[in-house]
Amino acid sequence: SQKIEQNSEALNIQEGKTATLTCNYTNYSPAYLQWYRQDPGRGPVFLLLIRENEKEKRKERLKVTFDTTLKQSLFHITASQPADSATYLCALDDSGNDMRFGAGTRLTVKP
Amino acid sequence: KAGVTQTPRYLIKTRGQQVTLSCSPISGHRSVSWYQQTPGQGLQFLFEYFSETQRNKGNFPGRFSGRQFSNSRSEMNVSTLELGDSALYLCASSLAGQGGQETQYFGPGTRLLVL
Repeated sequence: SQKIEQNSEALNIQEGKTATLTCNYTNYSPAYLQWYRQDPGRGPVFLLLIRENEKEKRKERLKVTFDTTLKQSLFHITASQPADSATYLCALDDSGNDMRFGAGTRLTVKP
Repeated sequence: KAGVTQTPRYLIKTRGQQVTLSCSPISGHRSVSWYQQTPGQGLQFLFEYFSETQRNKGNFPGRFSGRQFSNSRSEMNVSTLELGDSALYLCASSLAGQGGQETQYFGPGTRLLVL
């Protein structure tokens, strides 16, 4: 069966450290993978998109990697801040028309 | 541009009733997708509409249905509500419905509570 698994339900780190979130998928062959941020009571907000032929993508303090052999994406936030505390969702395209999401990882950055 | 809007924001219903939720996409966007979000299951895909046609459907029973109008606004309907239907229902719009190539813009969601 198809699965999208995000490494842990919750991740706690200290301010200034790098947060690393994992997204593993099974029985998908996505051409694109996206990461979203969701704050309580709000809809997800797009952060980054990475294509299957790209190994790495960066945007400010964010970095995403995409390994189609391992079927895994890693999402890094460097120099993390308390304002980065949120739930982060990975999503990948399924058959080109719609997106399927992981359950998310709730990140808490402590001062 | 105004963002994706969803109405109502909160809804309380009882088992057996039906409910209709509304989503207005960003102006110019032709694709609307619906998702159900629960603490246990995360974000589950319901269906996707493009130019008034349902293109994809997730693994939900037939009690869940939807439609899209010529102005791209979309509605979803849940009939014969069950307790397990309590969730946050999110809609997302994109410009051309090209899946992972495009950003999905989400609305704030409708929180449905079934008693």
